Amino acid sequence: AQRVTQPEKLLSVFKGAPVELKCNYSYSGSPELFWYVQYSRQRLQLLLRHISRESIKGFTADLNKGETSFHLKKPFAQEEDSAMYYCALMNYGGSQGNLIFGKGTKLSVKP
Amino acid sequence: DVKVTQSSRYLVKRTGEKVFLECVQDMDHENMFWYRQDPGLGLRLIYFSYDVKMKEKGDIPEGYSVSREKKERFSLILESASTNQTSMYLCASSLDQGGYTEAFFGQGTRLTVV
Repeated sequence: AQRVTQPEKLLSVFKGAPVELKCNYSYSGSPELFWYVQYSRQRLQLLLRHISRESIKGFTADLNKGETSFHLKKPFAQEEDSAMYYCALMNYGGSQGNLIFGKGTKLSVKP
Repeated sequence: DVKVTQSSRYLVKRTGEKVFLECVQDMDHENMFWYRQDPGLGLRLIYFSYDVKMKEKGDIPEGYSVSREKKERFSLILESASTNQTSMYLCASSLDQGGYTEAFFGQGTRLTVV
């Protein structure tokens, strides 16, 4: 079954420390993965796509098919990175694609 | 500026009421979605639609129905509201672009059923 697992509900780090938000997936085909972020009192928005191999706000994520992982990393966390982060997988089980989300990880960056 | 707009930010309804949540997008997207967001459970897909008058069940469709009469509007209907439907409801829209897909979300409707 298609599934996205984010093992940490809460991750707390100090400003300037490295951060890694874990995401593992289960999918029978070739996965298309995303990270979405929700800042306090803002709407959920796309952070990055694995296919673009991009770095957004200093965050990167590498797809590791062997480990079925798509962890989000940033070398030096900033206070403004505090938010709720969701890993998502594009599911083509139906007639059209739809996103399956993990349960989310709340990142708290302390000064 | 792309927009997905949900008609209400907060709603309080009584058990047994029929509840309508409205969502409008101005980006001419084919796909529209309704999720509910609960702490510790993440986002769970209720229904989605890939064309006018078309709909597909998501993971938790029980107790809900949807309507898409126009491309820009996607409504979520709670036929008989119950307290376990108290939640944050998120509407989203997207084009189908495979790995380049970006879903745009509304601001959410926090529904409380009493």
